[in-house]
Amino acid sequence: DAEITQSPRHKITETGRQVTLACHQTWNHNNMFWYRQDLGHGLRLIHYSYGVHDTNKGEVSDGYSVSRSNTEDLPLTLESAASSQTSVYFCASSAGDRRQETQYFGPGTRLLVL
Amino acid sequence: LAKTTQPISMDSYEGQEVNITCSHNNIATNDYITWYQQFPSQGPRFIIQGYKTKVTNEVASLFIPADRKSSTLSLPRVSLSDTAVYYCLVGLGNMLTFGGGTRLMVKP
Repeated sequence: DAEITQSPRHKITETGRQVTLACHQTWNHNNMFWYRQDLGHGLRLIHYSYGVHDTNKGEVSDGYSVSRSNTEDLPLTLESAASSQTSVYFCASSAGDRRQETQYFGPGTRLLVL
Repeated sequence: LAKTTQPISMDSYEGQEVNITCSHNNIATNDYITWYQQFPSQGPRFIIQGYKTKVTNEVASLFIPADRKSSTLSLPRVSLSDTAVYYCLVGLGNMLTFGGGTRLMVKP
């Protein structure tokens, strides 16, 4: 069955380190998204991509980067991790060319920055 | 600042109808309104989507007034398993924006 996976599921890192969170989907979806979820803030969009080599900044993109070299993967990189980036990160994907096609979410990555 | 607003929490009892409203004053003209459900330690899951008037599927209904500045998710006859956080998702300007989420607690 097609699916969307995230790895690692849990990560502890130190302030200043570079961290990369992986997202892989097997639906062949054009659109992929990264969100962070914090208490009191719900889900906030970090970056998104509407196709290979396309990337766009979301609401809270500072300190994060993404690249889309193929359809299946959209890795999220924290260039220099900060304690404020401690959060749960969700990746999602959707098909089609309408930006609000149904999004399918991964299980999340819980990141702790010490 | 454009935003999407929902009540933080709601309580209900099994068998009752629950209505959760989302306010989105600056929704983009061509964008749809989508609702998601999230259980602890899981990613959100699609419930229903609509553009205007009323949409119904096997689990919920979505009511959208003509001005589209709000939407109401209606869950008929809730059960304990409907206890979750519910989010609306709309396009505001260039960006898709989730509401802050409504924590629904269904009691026996």
